[in-house]
This record gives sequence, C-alpha cells and structure tokens, in this order.
Amino acid sequence: DVQLVESGGGLVQPGGSLRLSCAASGFTFSSYWMSWVRQAPGKGLEWVANIKQDGSEKYYVDSVKGRFTISRDNAKNSLYLQMNSLRAEDTAVYYCARGNYQQGYYYYYMDVWGKGTTVTVSS
Amino acid sequence: SYELTQPPSVSVSPGQTASITCSGDKLGDKYACWYQQKPGQSPVLVVYQDSKRPSGIPERFSGSNSGNKATLTISGTQAMDEADYFCQAWDSNSVVFGGGTKLTVL
Repeated sequence: DVQLVESGGGLVQPGGSLRLSCAASGFTFSSYWMSWVRQAPGKGLEWVANIKQDGSEKYYVDSVKGRFTISRDNAKNSLYLQMNSLRAEDTAVYYCARGNYQQGYYYYYMDVWGKGTTVTVSS
Repeated sequence: SYELTQPPSVSVSPGQTASITCSGDKLGDKYACWYQQKPGQSPVLVVYQDSKRPSGIPERFSGSNSGNKATLTISGTQAMDEADYFCQAWDSNSVVFGGGTKLTVL
C-alpha cells in the first residue's frame, strides 16, 4: 500500500526548534515531488513547502522562509522539515503529501497524504 | 500573491446536486484540483487537473474550470459527502489553497 507516516511533532516553546519526518512506502519515492501542508486548529489548509525529486529545487510559503528547511533522503525514502524559531502561529497539524508536477504545465496536485503530526508552540 | 476564494458554506438536500465554486484571477489558465476533508481525517484528492477523478473516487464528483472560476459538482449528493472541500492551484512555484467550503447535506 502507498503510505506516508509523519512523526516528530510535539510541544515546543516559542523560539524553539523541531524536526518533522515523513516515511514513505509503497511507491518510488525518488520519482515524486513532496510537500508539507499544515492546518491550524479549526482553520483551512496552508501549503508550507515543496521539494523536487532530487532536492535541487525547494519552495516555501513566505511566512516560513528563513525559518523552515525542507529536505529529503531518497535512500531512506524520507522527507523532513526542520523548523526553527517557532512561533505560536506555527501551531498546526503538519501533513506530508506526495506531489504531482510537470515542468511547463500549470498544475501541482497532491494525491497521497499522511495522517499528520501535531506541532504545538506554547510556553 | 495569488488568491483563491470559496464560499464558506454550501447546503444541499440528499440526492440533489451540490456546486462549490472557487474563484481566482484567470484561474481557467491554470489547473485546479479539489480535496475533501472529513472531521479528524486527512484531505483526500477528489478532482485533479480541473476534471479528472483519481481511482476510487465516485463518478458523482466532477469538476470544471473556465475564466475566473473552477467548480466542483457533486451529483446525487449523499450524506457521506458532508465535509470540507478545498480547491487548490499552482502559481509562481507556490501551492495555493482556497479557504475551504463546508458542505452540509440536510
């Protein structure tokens, strides 16, 4: 079965750091773009970051630029999100998702999602 | 930055057709997709590239996109379709979500 399993969430103080992981299985991980998407309590979906198959391209939402870093290890079928200088507004469920994208075409959609990991930033 | 606008809520009677809209500047020049999210669950892709359905998604889900508006249509709406629905597009190397629409089946 195609599966994504996130881990690494928890309670952290403002200004602290956390590293999220996403373990992929059931598909050729190195063939896909990957994304992190978050959802604050009672709110909608917010895209956080994307990474290309080989890690050579990375894109971020403005609110996390300079604080968050997306990375991947294709040998371990794993996706990561290093989160530094965390703020209360980063509190959310963080989802890992498989991306579908083709250069030159105006589409990017996410067809496989994990169950999410919860990050709470509070003192 | 690019924005997508959805109505906060839509209501439909069982068996009727529900239409959820998503508006954005020249959205028809891009591809739109739609996700369904039920309480406590992860999002599920129900339509991609404007009108394609992933494997396992019922035929009652369909999509269209033209001009400044994309539409998700659910024909013969069932109680199990009650959920939040989010549209999404790709613009300038960024993923953009609409604010979401709560579909109530009553």
